[in-house]
Amino acid sequence: EAQVTQNPRYLITVTGKKLTVTCSQNMNHEYMSWYRQDPGLGLRQIYYSMNVEVTDKGDVPEGYKVSRKEKRNFPLILESPSPNQTSLYFCASKSGGVGNQPQHFGDGTRLSIL
Amino acid sequence: GEDVEQSLFLSVREGDSSVINCTYTDSSSTYLYWYKQEPGAGLQLLTYIFSNMDMKQDQRLTVLLNKKDKHLSLRIADTQTGDSAIYFCAEKDNQGGKLIFGQGTELSVKP
Repeated sequence: EAQVTQNPRYLITVTGKKLTVTCSQNMNHEYMSWYRQDPGLGLRQIYYSMNVEVTDKGDVPEGYKVSRKEKRNFPLILESPSPNQTSLYFCASKSGGVGNQPQHFGDGTRLSIL
Repeated sequence: GEDVEQSLFLSVREGDSSVINCTYTDSSSTYLYWYKQEPGAGLQLLTYIFSNMDMKQDQRLTVLLNKKDKHLSLRIADTQTGDSAIYFCAEKDNQGGKLIFGQGTELSVKP
């Protein structure tokens, strides 16, 4: 089954403790992206990747890192999480780089930073 | 910059039609999308429309696009309780591949 898988689905942690949210897709998609969803703001893009070893900042990249060593994986790293990063995070992927193919989303990761 | 606006809430009775509206600012957008988010779940692509189209119909869903007014709407016919969810309108940024989302409209369907 074609899917985007995120782990963990839920995490409660404390300020400053490094964490990684994994994202994996099995559709051989070139493009992958991370968004955060906050009430009243919709989804905002954090980082994206057009292909392996190519990553770029989205609209709200501060406090986050990503890597794209393999086509299927695109982990999101919070080196020193802070409470304002408490949010619902979505990973997405699509084929074709900047083309118009629709993005496929994971089920989300709810992070709470205390 | 680009911006997408939606009203936050809509309440309808089961069996009625629902119309969710969206306005956008980037006139160069080529594709506009509607996503559905059920509680605790990710975003599910419902439908999308190419900018050279005025209307697209897919079973109970009808998308209308008014390019002059930069207005997009999603009509759900015969709304069911299972349609209760948050609906997001999104346009594709033409420089990168990112989607620019509206705030989401929470649809509540009452029996």
